[in-house]
Amino acid sequence: RKEVEQDPGPFNVPEGATVAFNCTYSNSASQSFFWYRQDCRKEPKLLMSVYSSGNEDGRFTAQLNRASQYISLLIRDSKLSDSATYLCVVNYHSGSARQLTFGSGTQLTVLP
Amino acid sequence: DVKVTQSSRYLVKRTGEKVFLECVQDMDHENMFWYRQDPGLGLRLIYFSYDVKMKEKGDIPEGYSVSREKKERFSLILESASTNQTSMYLCATFGLADTGELFFGEGSRLTVL
Repeated sequence: RKEVEQDPGPFNVPEGATVAFNCTYSNSASQSFFWYRQDCRKEPKLLMSVYSSGNEDGRFTAQLNRASQYISLLIRDSKLSDSATYLCVVNYHSGSARQLTFGSGTQLTVLP
Repeated sequence: DVKVTQSSRYLVKRTGEKVFLECVQDMDHENMFWYRQDPGLGLRLIYFSYDVKMKEKGDIPEGYSVSREKKERFSLILESASTNQTSMYLCATFGLADTGELFFGEGSRLTVL
């Protein structure tokens, strides 16, 4: 079983739609969580951190469920520019990049 | 702005050749990393370095070595390239410890024939 699992998609949604991705992790000692975005043929970039209380950044909302060991990303009012692969990242030791584990990504295509 | 530069965007090599991939960062970060990214497998850590001349194996170090002679430069070496090393290679540096933000280079796509 992979340490971090994501539905690979692809998710094809119309502009303006709301879309949600989930990511499950197997190590209950995981301490910090992140969503990265990777555009086609580009490098990954940090989208947002995921806090225990949930957090929002504009159209993006991230949630953490420690009991069920999953994190989610919700995108509201999807834009064409949101088309990308979204990577779930789990850190087992806060402050230690050595333990950053990446999911294999969920591909999103927003259609006009 | 943070800058991580990888020396080659695209390389084609033959089986058995020695391959050097270079990465330079201008952020004065101590920590540097080499990942490879393959479809369906995500990013996997090959090696990392937390200081000059210091290195540690990641999850898949076999067939690779690294060199960190200067703080800003971290090189990945394939001593004898094989076809299963065809991949996208990404260099990254670690920023503030608590943010979990890795800064990546643009990647080097290596094809081994």
